[in-house]
Order: sequence, then C-alpha cells, then structure tokens
Amino acid sequence: AQSVTQLDSHVSVSEGTPVLLRCNYSSSYSPSLFWYVQHPNKGLQLLLKYTSAATLVKGINGFEAEFKKSETSFHLTKPSAHMSDAAEYFCVVRFNTNAGKSTFGDGTTLTVKP
Amino acid sequence: EAQVTQNPRYLITVTGKKLTVTCSQNMNHEYMSWYRQDPGLGLRQIYYSMNVEVTDKGDVPEGYKVSRKEKRNFPLILESPSPNQTSLYFCASSLIGTQETQYFGPGTRLLVL
Repeated sequence: AQSVTQLDSHVSVSEGTPVLLRCNYSSSYSPSLFWYVQHPNKGLQLLLKYTSAATLVKGINGFEAEFKKSETSFHLTKPSAHMSDAAEYFCVVRFNTNAGKSTFGDGTTLTVKP
Repeated sequence: EAQVTQNPRYLITVTGKKLTVTCSQNMNHEYMSWYRQDPGLGLRQIYYSMNVEVTDKGDVPEGYKVSRKEKRNFPLILESPSPNQTSLYFCASSLIGTQETQYFGPGTRLLVL
C-alpha cells in the first residue's frame, strides 16, 4: 500500500531563516510527488511537483524540493522564511499502478516568528 | 476563470437527513475526487472518478455515495449523515495522469448534529 509520512507535525522558524519540511513515502514503485500549501481558511494550492524529470524541483514563492530515491524522501526547503509562509503544508504521493489514488501526509504546520 | 466550485460552503444538518454537496469544474477535466480533512489527519480520499460513469472508492468511502453523469459535475451524497461525518470537504479535479496537478475547490464545512 502506498503511504506518505510527514515527519514533523509542527515546524517553527524565525523570519529570514531556512525552512525544512520533511516527507518520506513508501512504495517500491516510482511515484509522482507533490507539495501543496493551505493558508488559514483557504483551499489548497500547488507549490511544486516531481514527475520523474529533474530530481531538484523548483516551485512558487522560492520553495524547492529534492527527490531522493535511495532515501524515499521529498523534503521541501526554502532558504529564507517570510511571514506569509505561515500555513499548513501537505506532501502527496500518486503512483501509476493506481492512477486514481492520491495519498496525503498528515500535514506540517509552519509557524514563522518575527 | 478556471475553477472548481462547491456548494454549499457551510452546512449544519441533523443526523439522518440526506444531503448533497455539489462540485463543478469548468476546465474539462476527466478526473475528479472528493476528500475530507480532519485535524491531524491530513486529507483522506473518499471517492474519485476517472471519467463520466467511472467512479471508485478511496480510503474512506463508508457513508458516502457519488455519481458522475456529466463531465463537469461530481456530487457527494450523504444518504444518512452521522456526527462522525462532521468535517471539511474538498473537491478536486485534474487531467488524467498521476503527474497532473489537482485543482481544489474552496471547501465545504459540514456539521452534523
């Protein structure tokens, strides 16, 4: 069964410091991986996705993620946090073996302190 | 404007009273899906549809029904709602393919008393 684990339920950083949100997936198949962001009382917006092209993926608002097959990881990073980055972040995995299924991680709440 | 719309946005109902949450997209997407979001559990997939008249169960389908009679619409039906179905519901759509980006509706907050 496919699964995805977000290793931190809460991350707190100071404005201007780096952000690291961790995501691991489990499956023996090659995945498509996504990061979505949800601001308070809003819907979900795509940040970036990995689709078997480049392993380092750049997204919106300065975020990027690196796919590491050997570690089954897809961690999200940003060099310098901004107050507007405070939100909940979801890692999502999909596989060609079951094209309709989407599996979400439990989410990581990012707090940015001034 | 390309979008996924859901109605109603907020709903309070009582146990056992049938309700339908509508979802519509104007992007000609084949794939549509319903999720529920509960604190600490992320989003869990309820049902999805790969095309008209093609639907399949997600991870938490119990207590829900769906239909896909038209490409643009994918209603979620609760035949006999119970308090454990109190949740925030999201509809999403995309082109076919696991690499495709899903576009989400604004959400429907449901309270079942």
